[in-house]
Amino acid sequence: SAVISQKPSRDICQRGTSLTIQCQVDSQVTMMFWYRQQPGQSLTLIATANQGSEATYESGFVIDKFPISRPNLTFSTLTVSNMSPEDSSIYLCSVLPRWGGDTEAFFGQGTRLTVV
Amino acid sequence: AQSVAQPEDQVNVAEGNPLTVKCTYSVSGNPYLFWYVQYPNRGLQFLLKYITGDNLVKGSYGFEAEFNKSQTSFHLKKPSALVSDSALYFCAVRSALIKAAGNKLTFGGGTRVLVKP
Repeated sequence: SAVISQKPSRDICQRGTSLTIQCQVDSQVTMMFWYRQQPGQSLTLIATANQGSEATYESGFVIDKFPISRPNLTFSTLTVSNMSPEDSSIYLCSVLPRWGGDTEAFFGQGTRLTVV
Repeated sequence: AQSVAQPEDQVNVAEGNPLTVKCTYSVSGNPYLFWYVQYPNRGLQFLLKYITGDNLVKGSYGFEAEFNKSQTSFHLKKPSALVSDSALYFCAVRSALIKAAGNKLTFGGGTRVLVKP
């Protein structure tokens, strides 16, 4: 298993500003992902955070808007840039402790972002 | 492309009664199937998974799920629901063909379970 610490847990931000969300894992993991979730809705994958290289973004998400870093095997950040009210959502960090499709993913508690 | 359908937005059940949350999937190759639960203002918690073998899998908190390959379904069940089971439940699939999906999970839309005393 993996214990994930995600910070901040919530924030209220002004439009046009940026927020960086941190995801810290208590052990080395093979893969890290970032999701977005509207309250009560399903999860949408933003990107896969790759250690030491550029993240792999899903359709509809771009690096300029959601820059991601992953400097090592236990830490990643997601920045939401030039925010607008449409970016108000819950952002979730997820990890796979080991390589293998049969591995269950673990999730952070989420960051609830409100843009005003 | 892989997909998951949870046909019910909400399931209402009386405490002590059986609970079923439906899930059907579409994936290339064999599926790896997962159920997660999300309580208010919390992240997702893993409940159980099907990888291979016995079609009936048992998980946390008394939940179980039955894999049916012919119907491409993986319904979540609990024989006797508790009020504390009220939460949002997600079914997810990943292809056993790693290169086909890059180890990414695809989630269903979620089913809200409300267990009434």
